[in-house]
Amino acid sequence: GAGVSQSPSNKVTEKGKDVELRCDPISGHTALYWYRQSLGQGLEFLIYFQGNSAPDKSGLPSDRFSAERTGGSVSTLTIQRTQQEDSAVYLCASSRGTVYEQYFGPGTRLTVT
Amino acid sequence: QKEVEQNSGPLSVPEGAIASLNCTYSDRGSQSFFWYRQYSGKSPELIMSIYSNGDKEDGRFTAQLNKASQYVSLLIRDSQPSDSATYLCAARALGNEKLTFGTGTRLTIIP
Repeated sequence: GAGVSQSPSNKVTEKGKDVELRCDPISGHTALYWYRQSLGQGLEFLIYFQGNSAPDKSGLPSDRFSAERTGGSVSTLTIQRTQQEDSAVYLCASSRGTVYEQYFGPGTRLTVT
Repeated sequence: QKEVEQNSGPLSVPEGAIASLNCTYSDRGSQSFFWYRQYSGKSPELIMSIYSNGDKEDGRFTAQLNKASQYVSLLIRDSQPSDSATYLCAARALGNEKLTFGTGTRLTIIP
């Protein structure tokens, strides 16, 4: 079946602009996760959703970052007033539930110039 | 100290040999462990999950878990050039839904 999809695959934006990244999880997966991977860094947890609720937002690096999920499906990660340090690959993963394996999408490569 | 530690490599293994990848973790509350393979420029792909002490085999891959030693390993038998990638170890603690990743080990299979 279809895997996790993310859009756009690449995004170049100017410092100070807002960006929206989208994730479409595997059908039927109730849990959705956002991570980011910076050059030379490991995968860093940002936020997860169980249904439309976000019980753990502890990984969001600043209040410029926010995320929502609607209909228990698609999620959007929004970064306001982007900074150069926001440049990274943003990865979305989904799972059947929070105790199950997580499957990653192809990622969105964000470059802030 | 990082919560999940891996040797960054590179680890070079001849084709057909066994590749051994190691991972240690510091949180004794960690209950579930995962190995992901990541090709350059691609996203992580789940290879194995392991939840109980001992070995778990899937094809050419064997995951090993020793909770007393806080150690997880991945063995790849009959290594192929297509196994050349970065291997990420991840841990999840009970009641904590996020995965904590190591920085990965870069594996190169030499033909």
